[in-house]
Amino acid sequence: QVQLQESGPGLVKPSETLSLTCTVSSGSISSYYWTWIRQPPGKGLEWIGYITHSGSTNYNPSLKSRITISRDTSKNQFSLKLNSVTAADTAVYYCARDYGDYDSLTGSRSHWFDPWGQGTLVTVSS
Amino acid sequence: QSVLTQPPSVSAAPGQKVTISCSGSSSNIGNNYVYWYRQLPGTAPKLLIYDNNKRPPGIPDRFSGSKSGTSATLGITGLQTGDEADYYCGSWDTSLSAALFGGGTKLTVL
Repeated sequence: QVQLQESGPGLVKPSETLSLTCTVSSGSISSYYWTWIRQPPGKGLEWIGYITHSGSTNYNPSLKSRITISRDTSKNQFSLKLNSVTAADTAVYYCARDYGDYDSLTGSRSHWFDPWGQGTLVTVSS
Repeated sequence: QSVLTQPPSVSAAPGQKVTISCSGSSSNIGNNYVYWYRQLPGTAPKLLIYDNNKRPPGIPDRFSGSKSGTSATLGITGLQTGDEADYYCGSWDTSLSAALFGGGTKLTVL
């Protein structure tokens, strides 16, 4: 059973860079896509971006200028960097396995997330 | 405001059935698959339905999904108090090239 665990600082100062790592166990990140999602306190879910099994990335257009998602296959980890953070970036950050796929017959895209990590709260404050 | 629209809340009595709607457009639900997640208080979301109407292993058949045009519906029968949670729909948006979530629906089992 694949398990994911987020790690990183719980407090980041405004204008600095938020850095998180997701460690994947019982599964290889060289298979599937791997995604980051966040949830501000008391609010809904926001997709941040994914990295594919081959290392390609795709980011949420609203965050694209500030995001980098990378991976370390030797450690079976993938990471998120979000720069120039503000209080609006305060959220619980989740990593998840992403069943990304494209149906060439119908032209439909699949991107469902399972399983998820337990999440880590990152607060942006001075 | 989310691109995928869900009612903020729904409620029903134990043992009853409830449906949660998710409305989108041709660039997302209309031409891509729909997913549903359940988030119990203080926990990470969990996949309930994928590819419009399929249940992952371990998800009981009390949960069902359907899609028609640019809208989707999650159905839950035999409601239990343990079903009280936030429910989110999701889909891919071809125009945005981004995964989307609905704003979430809080289910109360009275």
